[in-house]
Amino acid sequence: EAGVAQSPRYKIIEKRQSVAFWCNPISGHATLYWYQQILGQGPKLLIQFQNNGVVDDSQLPKDRFSAERLKGVDSTLKIQPAKLEDSAVYLCASSPTGEPTQYFGPGTRLTVL
Amino acid sequence: EDQVTQSPEALRLQEGESSSLNCSYTVSGLRGLFWYRQDPGKGPEFLFTLYSAGEEKEKERLKATLTKKESFLHITAPKPEDSATYLCAVLSGGSNYKLTFGKGTLLTVNP
Repeated sequence: EAGVAQSPRYKIIEKRQSVAFWCNPISGHATLYWYQQILGQGPKLLIQFQNNGVVDDSQLPKDRFSAERLKGVDSTLKIQPAKLEDSAVYLCASSPTGEPTQYFGPGTRLTVL
Repeated sequence: EDQVTQSPEALRLQEGESSSLNCSYTVSGLRGLFWYRQDPGKGPEFLFTLYSAGEEKEKERLKATLTKKESFLHITAPKPEDSATYLCAVLSGGSNYKLTFGKGTLLTVNP
């Protein structure tokens, strides 16, 4: 079974530029999560989708971050404009409906200069 | 607000030297406690879920235990390939499956 796919794996941008990350969850997993992991910290949930609906986006900085999951499968996370403090690894995870165990992708390492 | 504290922050062991990692938590209604392993440059890899005090799970050289206030990850006779960051996360009350993670323990096993 294929795991969670993410792209790109690495991205370097200047501050105030925009960037987008893509995630394809494990086939059949209805729930999709985006996390931010700053160096030396544990992952922090940004947004959770159930199919194509948002379940929890309470920790998403909505003035600059946005996410969508239009067809209930893959998802895109966007940052516009980026700040220096957005430098982090952005992790995508998915889980089957009704099950709490989350399976993570390899992450996208973002560096904002 | 849910809080998860892991200790120590870093641990160095010699190959074969058994030890334990600690995860203490404060949550409003624990629904589950998760252990993940994270290698450099990779996403967290699921290890165990514990649901109630007294529960234990084992996988190779790892054993996870749970009490009402904390969880331990026991590593028996570790090998260099066990070197990684071990993350603990709690699932608390509510309809969402929201995990709150600790900062992790960086384990290094020297040959």
